[in-house]
Amino acid sequence: DAKTTQPNSMESNEEEPVHLPCNHSTISGTDYIHWYRQLPSQGPEYVIHGLTSNVNNRMASLAIAEDRKSSTLILHRATLRDAAVYYCILRVGSGGGADGLTFGKGTHLIIQP
Amino acid sequence: GAGVSQSPSNKVTEKGKDVELRCDPISGHTALYWYRQSLGQGLEFLIYFQGNSAPDKSGLPSDRFSAERTGGSVSTLTIQRTQQEDSAVYLCASSWGGGRGYYNEQFFGPGTRLTVL
Repeated sequence: DAKTTQPNSMESNEEEPVHLPCNHSTISGTDYIHWYRQLPSQGPEYVIHGLTSNVNNRMASLAIAEDRKSSTLILHRATLRDAAVYYCILRVGSGGGADGLTFGKGTHLIIQP
Repeated sequence: GAGVSQSPSNKVTEKGKDVELRCDPISGHTALYWYRQSLGQGLEFLIYFQGNSAPDKSGLPSDRFSAERTGGSVSTLTIQRTQQEDSAVYLCASSWGGGRGYYNEQFFGPGTRLTVL
């Protein structure tokens, strides 16, 4: 699976927007971009995913670069509950074989009150 | 509705003993995954079950690790002759479908923290 690169940590203030970057320069045409987050002492939870177009849901927005070599997860108004490790993951969109997610180190998001 | 549940939440064992970890997936989910997360590390995929198909064991680190899924629902991960490096949080996830060509959100359980003394 193609590799992703994320900053180790980021810090933001409560009620401000947060932009979490992810680089995936070796992404293939069939790879989907997924984001999960892991709150302290919990299992990961799905946030959002996309292929080419920008995506919005109740949790966040995903902005995908035109060449798809990078993407940005956008939390429009961060709260203290958004403090977590955010993982950017590429999932192959075709073919068979194992379907396990490949998690990197992720970005540790710190929210200041 | 009920999410993925795992038991026990914590397990402390002595080196060399066998342990069994249990996962109850969300009802109706056909795909089930096991991962482990060592301290300060990302998640490591271990094994994947999809319906009645043979499991994909490509992520199991050694033959001391095995897993089964009975009746397409509950799964048990067994670690034989535990070693200190097996200490980690073991996470289970389930989803509606599986396979690379099928998008599916994975729902994770809270994990079992295994400590091998």
